[in-house]
Amino acid sequence: NAGVTQTPKFQVLKTGQSMTLQCAQDMNHEYMSWYRQDPGMGLRLIHYSVGAGITDQGEVPNGYNVSRSTTEDFPLRLLSAAPSQTSVYFCASSYKVRSLTYNSPLHFGNGTRLTVT
Amino acid sequence: QQPVQSPQAVILREGEDAVINCSSSKALYSVHWYRQKHGEAPVFLMILLKGGEQKGHEKISASFNEKKQQSSLYLTASQLSYSGTYFCGTGLYNQGGKLIFGQGTELSVKP
Repeated sequence: NAGVTQTPKFQVLKTGQSMTLQCAQDMNHEYMSWYRQDPGMGLRLIHYSVGAGITDQGEVPNGYNVSRSTTEDFPLRLLSAAPSQTSVYFCASSYKVRSLTYNSPLHFGNGTRLTVT
Repeated sequence: QQPVQSPQAVILREGEDAVINCSSSKALYSVHWYRQKHGEAPVFLMILLKGGEQKGHEKISASFNEKKQQSSLYLTASQLSYSGTYFCGTGLYNQGGKLIFGQGTELSVKP
């Protein structure tokens, strides 16, 4: 199993450009999420999904769109990139606990380092 | 709202012990701990649930104080391999899929 695969690994954008960060998992996990990591800020939740067709906002959703048409894929879209979106982006997945009461361990992809100039 | 971790950074000599704390203003149901090496993805260490027992993984253990909404990670007899940034992630009851992380604690273990 490949686990969680993120592409690309590195990306440089100019202000105003758009792009999609790809995330795919092959573990049949119901839950998927996107985090951004900035120095001193830890991992901040952007958007998350509890299943195909269901997404919700996290702590810092502005400037990002997501959709989940399949269990395997959870792309993150930047519609108009800004320098403040320069960051390392991590996608993560986890299985749904039967009791629905807590989160199972997250499996992280290797990250995408994005620079917006 | 992000949980608050303390300290922000700690430097140890091999064999020394350390404690990392994670506090939240919300009524937590679960607390996760992860370690991230430089340039790598975070890796899961352990999870603690409300009403559960203290967990352990080799010389790394953790506790969860439900009344104080606080979890602590204990690193005993630290090894060079323990170096990295430690994150706590907090989850509320019935909010599967939504895990909020603290700002991280950078741990450096020196020979």
